[in-house]
Amino acid sequence: QKEVEQNSGPLSVPEGAIASLNCTYSDRGSQSFFWYRQYSGKSPELIMFIYSNGDKEDGRFTAQLNKASQYVSLLIRDSQPSDSATYLCAVNILYNFNKFYFGSGTKLNVKP
Amino acid sequence: EAGVAQSPRYKIIEKRQSVAFWCNPISGHATLYWYQQILGQGPKLLIQFQNNGVVDDSQLPKDRFSAERLKGVDSTLKIQPAKLEDSAVYLCASSLGMKGEQFFGPGTRLTVL
Repeated sequence: QKEVEQNSGPLSVPEGAIASLNCTYSDRGSQSFFWYRQYSGKSPELIMFIYSNGDKEDGRFTAQLNKASQYVSLLIRDSQPSDSATYLCAVNILYNFNKFYFGSGTKLNVKP
Repeated sequence: EAGVAQSPRYKIIEKRQSVAFWCNPISGHATLYWYQQILGQGPKLLIQFQNNGVVDDSQLPKDRFSAERLKGVDSTLKIQPAKLEDSAVYLCASSLGMKGEQFFGPGTRLTVL
């Protein structure tokens, strides 16, 4: 079982819609959760991180964490074509050498 | 603030040759990571340094890969000898501490023929 699972997609949404990206993780010791965006041929860039259960909003982005269900999601409101990229979910397990595990990413296509 | 620097950006070698990658983290960042990202996959952690000490190298193929971070700043990752399956992008990232957000360099794209 992989530590972090993501649907590879592609997820296609029309411009202006809400894109919902999901991620599940296996280790209940996971304590920090990160969303990265990666454009084709580029390196990952951090969008948001979340540590506590609930929602965290930053502009058009909202991260949601449910530790009981071992589930973290990213909502992108008013999706733009420039949001088209692969979104990587990462978790940090503090008791295990603070190790980071990345999912394989979900490819998002926002159609004009 | 300057970002994470990596060189070279691209490298093409033949199998069984050796190759080395260099990384300079963001100034003041104590934690440095090397990742391998194969096309279509997420980054896989190879090795993590805290200052000049190794925190985790459990996924580093030690028979062919080695890494060092002398003086706790720059780092080099070496592959010797390279195999076809080593073709990937090698990403270096740094963070202030082991709990902090990671910032990635531009990566080195390695092609092994």
